[in-house]
Amino acid sequence: DVVMTQTPVSLPVSLGGQASISCRSSQSLVHSNGNTYLHWYLQKPGQSPQLLIYRVSNRFSGVPDRFSGSGSGTDFTLKISRVEPEDLGDYYCLQSTHFPNTFGAGTKLELK
Amino acid sequence: EVKLQQSGDELVRPGASVKISCKASGYTFTNYAMYWVKQSPGQGLEWIGTIIPLIDTTSYNQKFKGKATLTADKSSNTAYMELSRLTSEDSAVYYCARHSYGDYWGQGVMVTVSS
Repeated sequence: DVVMTQTPVSLPVSLGGQASISCRSSQSLVHSNGNTYLHWYLQKPGQSPQLLIYRVSNRFSGVPDRFSGSGSGTDFTLKISRVEPEDLGDYYCLQSTHFPNTFGAGTKLELK
Repeated sequence: EVKLQQSGDELVRPGASVKISCKASGYTFTNYAMYWVKQSPGQGLEWIGTIIPLIDTTSYNQKFKGKATLTADKSSNTAYMELSRLTSEDSAVYYCARHSYGDYWGQGVMVTVSS
C-alpha cells in the first residue's frame, strides 16, 4: 500500500496567520492517465470530514481562496492563509491513484 | 442538495453482525460510486472499500475483506455495509462518502462492540 506521511502532527497557529501542511507519498501519485489523485480534507471536532482540495490544487465548491494546494509526484502541500477560527481541526490528505486508497495520519491545526 | 443520511448508532455484542445504511438524495444514485471509511476512536481514517451501484461492483481494502460487505439498493438509493464477526477492534465511526473525490459525506455511524 502507498504510505502517506503527513507532517506536522500538530500545528499551533495564530488567528490571521499562515499554516502549511505537508503530505509525502511512498510512490508517485501520477496516474497512468496523467492525473494526480491527491486530495485534502478538514474534519472539524464532532463532524464528518469535508473536502477542501481535489486533485492537488482544485478548490471544492464553497471553499475560500485562503486554502491552496500544490505539489507533484510524491510531495504535496496544503497552505492556509489568514487562519480563521473555523479552520481549526484535523486535516487529512488522501491518495486515490493507487489501490487501496490511503490517508495521511492527520495534522491537528490548533491555536497557539 | 446532495445529502447522505446514515442510520443510527449501534451497540452490538461481540461475534454479532451489524448492517448500516447510507441513503443518498439530491443526485442520481447510479451516477456515482460510494465508498466507506472507518475512523477508530481518536484515530485517523481508513478506506474500507467502494461500491459502484450501477453495476453492483465492489472493491475492498485487503484489510477489510471478510469483515465488510458492501451492497446497494438502486430502488431506494441506499448503500449498505455489513460488518461481521464483530470484535472490540471494530468499535469505530463508519462513514459513507460519494466517490467523486469524497465530495459529500454521511454524518457517520458509531458502532460500539461490547457485551
